[in-house]
Amino acid sequence: GQNIDQPTEMTATEGAIVQINCTYQTSGFNGLFWYQQHAGEAPTFLSYNVLDGLEEKGRFSSFLSRSKGYSYLLLKELQMKDSASYLCAVRDMNTGFQKLVFGTGTRLLVSP
Amino acid sequence: DTGVSQDPRHKITKRGQNVTFRCDPISEHNRLYWYRQTLGQGPEFLTYFQNEAQLEKSRLLSDRFSAERPKGSFSTLEIQRTEQGDSAMYLCASNSEGLRIYNEQFFGPGTRLTVL
Repeated sequence: GQNIDQPTEMTATEGAIVQINCTYQTSGFNGLFWYQQHAGEAPTFLSYNVLDGLEEKGRFSSFLSRSKGYSYLLLKELQMKDSASYLCAVRDMNTGFQKLVFGTGTRLLVSP
Repeated sequence: DTGVSQDPRHKITKRGQNVTFRCDPISEHNRLYWYRQTLGQGPEFLTYFQNEAQLEKSRLLSDRFSAERPKGSFSTLEIQRTEQGDSAMYLCASNSEGLRIYNEQFFGPGTRLTVL
């Protein structure tokens, strides 16, 4: 089966940098997604990694190491609006066509 | 592109009643997914359609749950004889092979179900 772990909660200060880690165990890895979800709203796509390395998109970067089953999401120049849950999700082709398996999410609180 | 829409946004029902939710995916998307999310948890996969064919169902989807996508466009999720444990946010997502580099799923705003 799959097991995806990420911290439950993190706090950071406006303007700072925060790294949210995600570890996973899966047999048919076919990509890792990060989604942002504000309270009561739909998850929105942030980033995707399928090869090892760093993907950068503005203030957000995501890293993947397939051999270690590890990813992180890096948020720079934090803003108050970044307070949200960040969901790590793995696409596992062995368990189904295209479903995503999500972690529990990391709730990030950005304070002034 | 108006995004994925879901209706209703909120539903309160009594235990034992039947409820039905609707999802309208992004128009050019042929894949549609249903997920369930409880407080403090990530979304859990329920079922997946490619066009009108239901290709995968989670074991979370008991026989009280049924989903359809009759014409390969909108989908409905019905829960019969609701139980308090069914209280959750029901999320719909859609995508289509080849339209986006990452084939990411686009999520709707969800239907929040409360079973009293």
